[in-house]
Amino acid sequence: DQQVKQNSPSLSVQEGRISILNCDYTNSMFDYFLWYKKYPAEGPTFLISISSIKDKNEDGRFTVFLNKSAKHLSLHIVPSQPGDSAVYFCAASAPQASGTYKYIFGTGTRLKVLA
Amino acid sequence: DGGITQSPKYLFRKEGQNVTLSCEQNLNHDAMYWYRQDPGQGLRLIYYSQIVNDFQKGDIAEGYSVSREKKESFPLTVTSAQKNPTAFYLCASSMSLGMSTFFGQGTRLTVV
Repeated sequence: DQQVKQNSPSLSVQEGRISILNCDYTNSMFDYFLWYKKYPAEGPTFLISISSIKDKNEDGRFTVFLNKSAKHLSLHIVPSQPGDSAVYFCAASAPQASGTYKYIFGTGTRLKVLA
Repeated sequence: DGGITQSPKYLFRKEGQNVTLSCEQNLNHDAMYWYRQDPGQGLRLIYYSQIVNDFQKGDIAEGYSVSREKKESFPLTVTSAQKNPTAFYLCASSMSLGMSTFFGQGTRLTVV
């Protein structure tokens, strides 16, 4: 049961245009969401996060939007640059019964920015 | 510079052998994690540790073991009981559980 879904395995965007990566989740208990960027043979790098009490968080070219009613979040990159070409993972966390947290990751979307 | 170091980057082992993957962090983070990535799949949590001398099973802990004797170190042992050990393994840490997580460079384990 995939609680965090990234339904688009790949996306191609022209340099300078906007990239929109989408993520859907099923667990209404998730209260913290993150986006990671991963280059081949490297570990993921944290990009941006958002708490469930917000609906938008912006950091430079990256903006994450959260729609709790739709259980949907998206990452906008504008303007897109060739160096943004990577696999992007969204992740969600929820408190467990023990009081700890656990992260659930999506399957990733491969973004290719064309020069 | 603070960071998370995984070693080695590539590891080959014969089937039936146990192998230990190293993970060290100097970020003074309390929480550490091990994930596994397979082609076409997201990161799956193997084990995590909130504090020294404590760790919890993740979603796919069978065939793996960990220890957390020091705050800086969280080694993962892939035992012979793990049916499909060939994968890309990622170690991560965060200030505390639920906070933004930082990842190491990963270890690609190939069992032949």
